[in-house]
Amino acid sequence: EVQLVESGGGLVQPGGSLRLSCEVSGFTFYTYWMHWVRQVPGKGPVWVSRINGAGTSTTYADSVKGRFTISRDNAKNTLYLQMNSLSAEDTAVYYCARRRYLRSETDYWGQGTLVTVSS
Amino acid sequence: EIVLTQSPGTLSLSPGERATLSCRASQSVSSSYLAWFQQKPGQAPRLLVYGVSNRAPGIPDRFSGSGSGTDFTLTISGLEPEDFAVYYCQQYDSSPETFGQGTKVEIK
Repeated sequence: EVQLVESGGGLVQPGGSLRLSCEVSGFTFYTYWMHWVRQVPGKGPVWVSRINGAGTSTTYADSVKGRFTISRDNAKNTLYLQMNSLSAEDTAVYYCARRRYLRSETDYWGQGTLVTVSS
Repeated sequence: EIVLTQSPGTLSLSPGERATLSCRASQSVSSSYLAWFQQKPGQAPRLLVYGVSNRAPGIPDRFSGSGSGTDFTLTISGLEPEDFAVYYCQQYDSSPETFGQGTKVEIK
């Protein structure tokens, strides 16, 4: 069974940092592109970042470029999102999701982890 | 950035009725790269349709997608109780990939 389980969310002050993790099982992790998508409750999802299977190619949304870093550890079947210089606009539920290829459908999502940026 | 506009915002229907959801793109989207998701409260989005008209594994055939260019439609042929949820379209044709703002299908 394919599973993606996020962790690491929580309450952080503006300007602070947080690292999200996404542990996966049930599929060959290194053969999949992985993405982070965030969603403010009641709004549509917003794509944040992606990384290829080898971890050698990364792309970011303009809104997080220079502040967020996506990475992966294929030996641990885990995806990460390091988030720095957080602001209230980053408050959202963060989902990890998988895709078989760069431009294929997003077929599995994790259950999400809530990040709240507030003083 | 391709902006996806979904309509209507809310659709109030009874079980058994047909639901027609619209997704309009600000520029043309290749037919291979348009998907629909269903989301229920407290849950992650669930893939229903990809490549405009391909149902994801395990998705009932009452769900169907159609369209091309800038206009796409998700049709639910006869609403079941479990279909009342929010639906999002997504384009992954050009970067950044984008989602619509959603259509809520509620029980009338």
